[in-house]
Amino acid sequence: AQTVTQSQPEMSVQEAETVTLSCTYDTSESNYYLFWYKQPPSRQMILVIRQEAYKQQNATENRFSVNFQKAAKSFSLKISDSQLGDTAMYFCAFMKYNNNDMRFGAGTRLTVKP
Amino acid sequence: DSGVTQTPKHLITATGQRVTLRCSPRSGDLSVYWYQQSLDQGLQFLIQYYNGEERAKGNILERFSAQQFPDLHSELNLSSLELGDSALYFCASSVWELTDTQYFGPGTRLTVL
Repeated sequence: AQTVTQSQPEMSVQEAETVTLSCTYDTSESNYYLFWYKQPPSRQMILVIRQEAYKQQNATENRFSVNFQKAAKSFSLKISDSQLGDTAMYFCAFMKYNNNDMRFGAGTRLTVKP
Repeated sequence: DSGVTQTPKHLITATGQRVTLRCSPRSGDLSVYWYQQSLDQGLQFLIQYYNGEERAKGNILERFSAQQFPDLHSELNLSSLELGDSALYFCASSVWELTDTQYFGPGTRLTVL
């Protein structure tokens, strides 16, 4: 079974600084997808970034980028120039190729301080 | 706003009762997914429908059922409710059946007293 581990229950960062959230996963699959979702206090689940395992290039979306290490089964999220609106729970998620049973980590609560 | 709508936003009911949660996917999306987010279990995938047919099942209890209608909206039925069913229930949608980015609705907060 696929498991997703987020080892940092809580993190904080000063506004305008950079923070990295960790995620590791366990799978025997070679084709899969990885996601970071953000859940602000409104509870809405918002897709931050998506990575296909067959792509070696790390995904980026504006201030958000990932460090995907397939051999190490690691998928960390880097947030640059942190903003107060980045304060949220961040969930790492795994999905096998051709299977929509998405597995989520326990989440990391990020607080951006002014 | 993801374009996925869910009703109601909040629902309070008693143990043993039955409730129905409703979801309308984004325009053009054919797949609908249901998730449960609870304090002890975290976020769990429940079930997926694609164009009216069940496609994948996760950790869905036998007391729970879902369906997707011809207009593509979906309903999740929860029966014989227990205190432990209290949770946030999300619906998500995507265009295709497999391995497609899912967009989440705002969720329905269910409280069982």
